[in-house]
Amino acid sequence: EVQLVESGGGLVQPGRSLRLSCAASGFTFDDYAMHWVRQAPGKGLEWVSGISWNSGSIGYADSVKGRFTISRDNAKNSLFLQMNSLRAEDTALYYCAKSARADIVATLDYWGQGTLVTVSS
Amino acid sequence: DIQMTQSPSSLSASVGDRVTITCRASQSISSYLNWYQQKPGKAPKLLIYAASSLQSGVPSRLSGSGSGTDFTLTISSLQPEDFATYYCQQSYSTLPITFGQGTRLEIK
Repeated sequence: EVQLVESGGGLVQPGRSLRLSCAASGFTFDDYAMHWVRQAPGKGLEWVSGISWNSGSIGYADSVKGRFTISRDNAKNSLFLQMNSLRAEDTALYYCAKSARADIVATLDYWGQGTLVTVSS
Repeated sequence: DIQMTQSPSSLSASVGDRVTITCRASQSISSYLNWYQQKPGKAPKLLIYAASSLQSGVPSRLSGSGSGTDFTLTISSLQPEDFATYYCQQSYSTLPITFGQGTRLEIK
């Protein structure tokens, strides 16, 4: 059974940093691209960032480019999102999602339950 | 970026009704279109991929169609568990991945 478990969310002041983690199990992690998708309270889904199976291809939404960094550790079946210079508009539930392929642009076939990030003073 | 536009934004229907949700892409995306269902407090769940292929375990009353720029999600006979918010998402060749704004399906 595929499981994706996010952690690392919390309340943080504007301008500060936070690092999210996603622990994956139930599939061969280094065969698939992975993504972060967020959902602001009461809003729709917004893709944040994605990384290919070997970290050779990485992409970011314009809204986070230059502030967020995605990475993965295939030896530890883990995905990360380093979030710097956080803003109030980054407040959201952050989901880790598995791609259906090794390619970075693909269907997202499994999702974690999310970790909540609140940016407020 | 490829923009995805869903209609309607919300929809009221009754159990047993047939409903259709539409998704339009700002440029041709071939059949690289996926549909997700999200219930309150839950993560999104993949329903349909490649425009018309049903994900394992998804009931056959749900179906998808379309190609190019226009796509539909149809539920042939609404069941109580179908009341949720539905999102389309394009997975065409380049980033960013983009989602429609969502369609909230409510009980009439």
